[in-house]
Amino acid sequence: GAGVSQSPRYKVAKRGQDVALRCDPISGHVSLFWYQQALGQGPEFLTYFQNEAQLDKSGLPSDRFFAERPEGSVSTLKIQRTQQEDSAVYLCASSQTTGRSSYNSPLHFGNGTRLTVT
Amino acid sequence: AQTVTQSQPEMSVQEAETVTLSCTYDTSENNYYLFWYKQPPSRQMILVIRQEAYKQQNATENRFSVNFQKAAKSFSLKISDSQLGDTAMYFCAITGTASKLTFGTGTRLQVTL
Repeated sequence: GAGVSQSPRYKVAKRGQDVALRCDPISGHVSLFWYQQALGQGPEFLTYFQNEAQLDKSGLPSDRFFAERPEGSVSTLKIQRTQQEDSAVYLCASSQTTGRSSYNSPLHFGNGTRLTVT
Repeated sequence: AQTVTQSQPEMSVQEAETVTLSCTYDTSENNYYLFWYKQPPSRQMILVIRQEAYKQQNATENRFSVNFQKAAKSFSLKISDSQLGDTAMYFCAITGTASKLTFGTGTRLQVTL
């Protein structure tokens, strides 16, 4: 597709359920990021992939959060035993290049998945 | 660690007028990059303008320009000839040696008739 695609667009989960959020980056994009955006806040970094390698997962808030990108394209963010504080918009972004050169190849964001935990 | 502060939660401007959104930041890195992103109700973050910290010349993109004051760690966004389609959340962001972006809390801009 022409842009970064995320699914589902909306997800409602009962507390304690597991959820999986999908990101389809732009074809050929090497770098992939996940961000969490709480209501009324700016996005906060969760994790970063370069191809299939997860190079930075320092932003994952707990061991309930897990991300993978096994073939270096599609990525899945999984949240186990969801809690109310996990309610947020989860944004995925990709770029063509890596590291600081990403300045010259800006991030392309998807429309996000809004997760509501009840 | 890097931080970004946007002290204006909401701003309003009349169509065709000019508005300036404020942003201050802090970083321990010498080489870094600054960005302004727009987020409409669709939630997609759209790059508005970017600035390399080692370039003294302020970046411009059509109606959008920045006032980059490196010593003051200030990076404000000026929107000229405001249009109704400019209504959105605006986020200031910084990145350094790591690829990840650090965002501010955003400014909601409303363009009115």
